[in-house]
Amino acid sequence: GQSLEQPSEVTAVEGAIVQINCTYQTSGFYGLSWYQQHDGGAPTFLSYNALDGLEETGRFSSFLSRSDSYGYLLLQELQMKDSASYFCAVYTGFQKLVFGTGTRLLVSP
Amino acid sequence: NAGVTQTPKFRVLKTGQSMTLLCAQDMNHEYMYWYRQDPGMGLRLIHYSVGEGTTAKGEVPDGYNVSRLKKQNFLLGLESAAPSQTSVYFCASSPITGGRNSPLHFGNGTRLTVT
Repeated sequence: GQSLEQPSEVTAVEGAIVQINCTYQTSGFYGLSWYQQHDGGAPTFLSYNALDGLEETGRFSSFLSRSDSYGYLLLQELQMKDSASYFCAVYTGFQKLVFGTGTRLLVSP
Repeated sequence: NAGVTQTPKFRVLKTGQSMTLLCAQDMNHEYMYWYRQDPGMGLRLIHYSVGEGTTAKGEVPDGYNVSRLKKQNFLLGLESAAPSQTSVYFCASSPITGGRNSPLHFGNGTRLTVT
């Protein structure tokens, strides 16, 4: 079976830094992705890690440790518009993506 | 570009009724997917397609059928709807990019209620 674990909810204030962790146990591993979803909206792609280390895209960074089956999404300089759900997702085969249950991020003023 | 378009946006069915959800993409993507999203359960893969004329089962395929007769369209069918199929359904597509996994592009979803 497939298991991706992430916290259900995280709260933070504007301007702060927040880290959302993801641990996974899957039958195959070909990379870790992160998606953002605002309430009522579609998931949108944020980042992808195929190899160990840190990938940076503007205010967002994503980290992967394959030996620990662990990754995280780091959001810096939080803004109110960052309030959304964040999903980690593992490629268990080529172009076959399995999603975690999501972390709801609440950013307060 | 419209991207990925899903129709309808909302639908209410009675138990036992059938319907087809339509997904169309204009990005010439090879791969297409159907996911369902339920509260607290994230997105679960129902079926997917790696190209025109091909389909494969995902994590939760029971009660659903799919067809990919044209590259740009991926249809999801419910032959006999059940209340357990009340969910938000998302279609997605992705290109082939030289052996490296590429991001999924999602439609805006279809909210289905089965009473």
